[in-house]
Amino acid sequence: AQSVTQLGSHVSVSEGALVLLRCNYSSSVPPYLFWYVQYPNQGLQLLLKYTTGATLVKGINGFEAEFKKSETSFHLTKPSAHMSDAAEYFCAVSLRHTGANSKLTFGKGITLSVRP
Amino acid sequence: SQTIHQWPATLVQPVGSPLSLECTVEGTSNPNLYWYRQAAGRGLQLLFYSVGIGQISSEVPQNLSASRPQDRQFILSSKKLLLSDSGFYLCAWSVPFIYGYTFGSGTRLTVV
Repeated sequence: AQSVTQLGSHVSVSEGALVLLRCNYSSSVPPYLFWYVQYPNQGLQLLLKYTTGATLVKGINGFEAEFKKSETSFHLTKPSAHMSDAAEYFCAVSLRHTGANSKLTFGKGITLSVRP
Repeated sequence: SQTIHQWPATLVQPVGSPLSLECTVEGTSNPNLYWYRQAAGRGLQLLFYSVGIGQISSEVPQNLSASRPQDRQFILSSKKLLLSDSGFYLCAWSVPFIYGYTFGSGTRLTVV
């Protein structure tokens, strides 16, 4: 079984500041890892994913995440926050051995606020 | 390209009334389909998933049911809505050659 921990429910940063959203996973086998973003009253949109290869993954809107196996982490970062980044962010994990379309387990999500 | 349609966008229903939410996928065959619910402050809750026509797995026993009458159609239903059924309902799909899920735009259900 797999699980995802996103500590805290809310992060607030100033516009232009570094964004860091933490995600730790638990998995008995090598995982696939994902970050999704959700704007109010919308569905979830894929930001980035780690499947194989390079552990530093770049996504849309200037976000990136690094898979660290030793720390079982997949933290999401962006060097400079923009007002439009205010949204809810979900980390998710699936099990590599069950295939690319295997079931995702989501974290509880974290709300990012950006102060002017 | 693959797309997912979910409707209606918003719905206000009285307690005890029936419910039918529909989700359809275009541009792919034999997808896995999922229904999720988001209640305030409770994250994403997987309700049902389906790997094929007529094949439904329920993750959480509750007042809802799901059906998949066609390969690319997934329906969420209830015979009698409860206040606790209020929330934001999301449909999603996945296929073997694309990692992760693609989500629909969601339905905001308010039971009054």
